[in-house]
Amino acid sequence: EDQVTQSPEALRLQEGESSSLNCSYTVSGLRGLFWYRQDPGKGPEFLFTLYSAGEEKEKERLKATLTKKESFLHITAPKPEDSATYLCAVQGGTNAGKSTFGDGTTLTVKP
Amino acid sequence: DGGITQSPKYLFRKEGQNVTLSCEQNLNHDAMYWYRQDPGQGLRLIYYSQIVNDFQKGDIAEGYSVSREKKESFPLTVTSAQKNPTAFYLCASSRGQEETQYFGPGTRLLVL
Repeated sequence: EDQVTQSPEALRLQEGESSSLNCSYTVSGLRGLFWYRQDPGKGPEFLFTLYSAGEEKEKERLKATLTKKESFLHITAPKPEDSATYLCAVQGGTNAGKSTFGDGTTLTVKP
Repeated sequence: DGGITQSPKYLFRKEGQNVTLSCEQNLNHDAMYWYRQDPGQGLRLIYYSQIVNDFQKGDIAEGYSVSREKKESFPLTVTSAQKNPTAFYLCASSRGQEETQYFGPGTRLLVL
């Protein structure tokens, strides 16, 4: 069974204080790892898809990286508008088309 | 504008009542999904459909039903058999079954 664990559950940062969110996964034959941002009361917004170990993707202050067992979402010099819950999901080879989600990390950035 | 729409934004259910949540997409995506999200938790898959007239149960399908008669529509019915329906329901779609899923704005279901 595919499993995704995100840590920490909550993270409070000062504006400009860089940090990383972790997504550890167990999957048989990774097909893709996905990062989403979710604001309160809204649907998740797609950020990145990573397919293989060593892959990296960037978007503004966010950078996602992938190893064989985990992914990191690095946030550089965050701003208050980066406050949200960040969700990680995986798709594995034994469950084609089914994504398994972690419980998310809620990020709060204080001015 | 291409996207996914869900309606209504809020839905109230009485005891013993079936209610239907709407999900429509104009992205020409083949695959569609329904998830349930409880406070402080991630998304759990209820049902998914990879093609018209075909769908599969997800991890928590009991008390729910779906249909996929048209490519752009994937309605979810919460039946009276679902004893704890209060949650945030999210619909998603993807071009293919192993591709990135894009989400609608969600429907919050409350029990009166």
